[in-house]
Amino acid sequence: AQSVTQPDIHITVSEGASLELRCNYSYGATPYLFWYVQSPGQGLQLLLKYFSGDTLVQGIKGFEAEFKRSQSSFNLRKPSVHWSDAAEYFCAVGPAPNNAGNMLTFGGGTRLMVKP
Amino acid sequence: DADVTQTPRNRITKTGKRIMLECSQTKGHDRMYWYRQDPGLGLRLIYYSFDVKDINKGEISDGYSVSRQAQAKFSLSLESAIPNQTALYFCASSSGRSNQPQHFGDGTRLSIL
Repeated sequence: AQSVTQPDIHITVSEGASLELRCNYSYGATPYLFWYVQSPGQGLQLLLKYFSGDTLVQGIKGFEAEFKRSQSSFNLRKPSVHWSDAAEYFCAVGPAPNNAGNMLTFGGGTRLMVKP
Repeated sequence: DADVTQTPRNRITKTGKRIMLECSQTKGHDRMYWYRQDPGLGLRLIYYSFDVKDINKGEISDGYSVSRQAQAKFSLSLESAIPNQTALYFCASSSGRSNQPQHFGDGTRLSIL
C-alpha cells in the first residue's frame, strides 16, 4: 500500500530564512507527487506536482521541490520565507496501485509558523 | 465564485442526528471526492465518484453515505452522527484525465456533541 510520511509536525522559521519541509513516500511504482498548502479556514491549494522528467519542479509562491528516487523523498523548499507562508503543508502521492483514477494518499501535514 | 463550494461551512449537532454536507463544482469535472481531516492524520478518503453512476468506498466509509445527484453535485451524509465523526470535511473534484490535480473546497467544520 502507498503511504506518505511527513516527519515534522511543526516547524518554526524566521521570516527571510530558508525552508525545507520533508516528505517521504512508499509506493510500488513511479509515483506522482504533490504538495498542497492549507491556509487557515481554507481548502487545499496545489503548490506543485511531479509526474516525470526534471526532478526539480517549480511551483507557485516561490516554492520548489526535488524528487529523489533513491531516498523516496520529495522535499519542499523555499529560499526566503514570508510571513504569509504560515500555513499547513501536505505532501501527497498517487495514483493508487490499481490505477483507479488519481487517488491520493496524504501525509499527516506539517504546520509552518513564521517568526517576525 | 469558488470552483468547489461546500455547504454549510460550519455545523454543530447532536449525537444520533442525520446530517448532510453538500458540495458543488463549476469546473465540469467528472470526478468528485469526500475527505475528512483530523489533526496529525492528514486527509483520509471517505468516498469517491468517477461519474454519476460510479460511486466507490474510500479508506474510511463506515458510518457515511454519499449521493451523486448530478455531475456537479456530490453530497455526504452521516445517517446517525457520533462524536468521533467530529472533523473537518473536504470535497474535491478533478478531471477524468489521469493524474490531474484535485481541486478542493474550503471545508465544512462539523462538531458532534
